[in-house]
Amino acid sequence: KAGVTQTPRYLIKTRGQQVTLSCSPISGHRSVSWYQQTPGQGLQFLFEYFSETQRNKGNFPGRFSGRQFSNSRSEMNVSTLELGDSALYLCASSPGQGWYEQYFGPGTRLTVT
Amino acid sequence: GQNIDQPTEMTATEGAIVQINCTYQTSGFNGLFWYQQHAGEAPTFLSYNVLDGLEEKGRFSSFLSRSKGYSYLLLKELQMKDSASYLCAVRGNTGGFKTIFGAGTRLFVKA
Repeated sequence: KAGVTQTPRYLIKTRGQQVTLSCSPISGHRSVSWYQQTPGQGLQFLFEYFSETQRNKGNFPGRFSGRQFSNSRSEMNVSTLELGDSALYLCASSPGQGWYEQYFGPGTRLTVT
Repeated sequence: GQNIDQPTEMTATEGAIVQINCTYQTSGFNGLFWYQQHAGEAPTFLSYNVLDGLEEKGRFSSFLSRSKGYSYLLLKELQMKDSASYLCAVRGNTGGFKTIFGAGTRLFVKA
């Protein structure tokens, strides 16, 4: 069974631009969570989607948004990029909402200049 | 709110045993997880505890005490490949179930 895939793997953007990251969960998994990982803050929860609905949200500004499609694929969008948004963005999938084990994708490394 | 504390770094010798501690504060506790993350790679699931006690899985064991808000990950017969970051994570119910990760403990295994 294929693992979680994320595209693109690397991205360089300029301050003020917006970016869209994509995540395809493991086949049959319906829950997708997004995390931001930085050396200083560690892994921080962004949001969780299940059945095309945002179920939980972390403490990030409204510039961070996401959605989930009927095939469980998910996208997250960051608008008006700031230098501090440079991070590794990880997507994790699980069979259902609140399932205890999450499977992480390789991440998208975003650099904002 | 939720808070997780774990040591920043630890060093141990190949073949030895190491214990990585984690203390947490959360509302509506719904499970504690340990993940391993090698440099430049995604985290991989190691263990899950929801009841007090020890869960053993091969060379790795994880312990939980809910009353003390405390967990540890025990790694036996250390191998060089165990050099990685170990992330403690807690799922709590604060306006919805959320999994919060600690900053991670970087383990260096030396020969």
